[in-house]
Amino acid sequence: LAKTTQPISMDSYEGQEVNITCSHNNIATNDYITWYQQFPSQGPRFIIQGYKTKVTNEVASLFIPADRKSSTLSLPRVSLSDTAVYYCLVGAIDGSGNTGKLIFGQGTTLQVKP
Amino acid sequence: NAGVTQTPKFRILKIGQSMTLQCTQDMNHNYMYWYRQDPGMGLKLIYYSVGAGITDKGEVPNGYNVSRSTTEDFPLRLELAAPSQTSVYFCASSYSLDYEQYFGPGTRLTVT
Repeated sequence: LAKTTQPISMDSYEGQEVNITCSHNNIATNDYITWYQQFPSQGPRFIIQGYKTKVTNEVASLFIPADRKSSTLSLPRVSLSDTAVYYCLVGAIDGSGNTGKLIFGQGTTLQVKP
Repeated sequence: NAGVTQTPKFRILKIGQSMTLQCTQDMNHNYMYWYRQDPGMGLKLIYYSVGAGITDKGEVPNGYNVSRSTTEDFPLRLELAAPSQTSVYFCASSYSLDYEQYFGPGTRLTVT
């Protein structure tokens, strides 16, 4: 199973770009990487997902190096409303295509300051 | 379209009591999941289901049971509640394995 490690917390200022890195040294070939955002007293919300290289959507980018042992979530020009906990999730798919081991990181608390 | 709904929102149980946490989704997703989240921690997978009648264990299944008789519903049963089961429980669903999961609002459970 790919255990994940993230920084516990990060601070930023409005308008800055924020990069949060997740380490997953034991990631397997078929594992995918997903990032979620969670506000207090709410369920997590999907941000972005990838297998390798770079993925970009309207809210974030995900960078995955060739060895896939880490991934970096990039949030461009953060605002106060981006203050939340960000989780890295590594999904394990067995040979039959089912997943029994979805490993969440401990989360990174991002505090955006004015 | 309500998405994923969970009931109850809050519950206090005494040690040894039992209860069922309800989860329903209206997106016709085959995949459903139950997670627990302890204070300051990430989510841990308890059980998951890939379709009606099919369930399997996740990372922390001990003390819990699930069933999946319909596509929409995925109840989580706690038998003989223990203080270690005090947590926030989230239900989620997804179209398939590599699609985003949609999470419910959670159930906050306290066992005393």
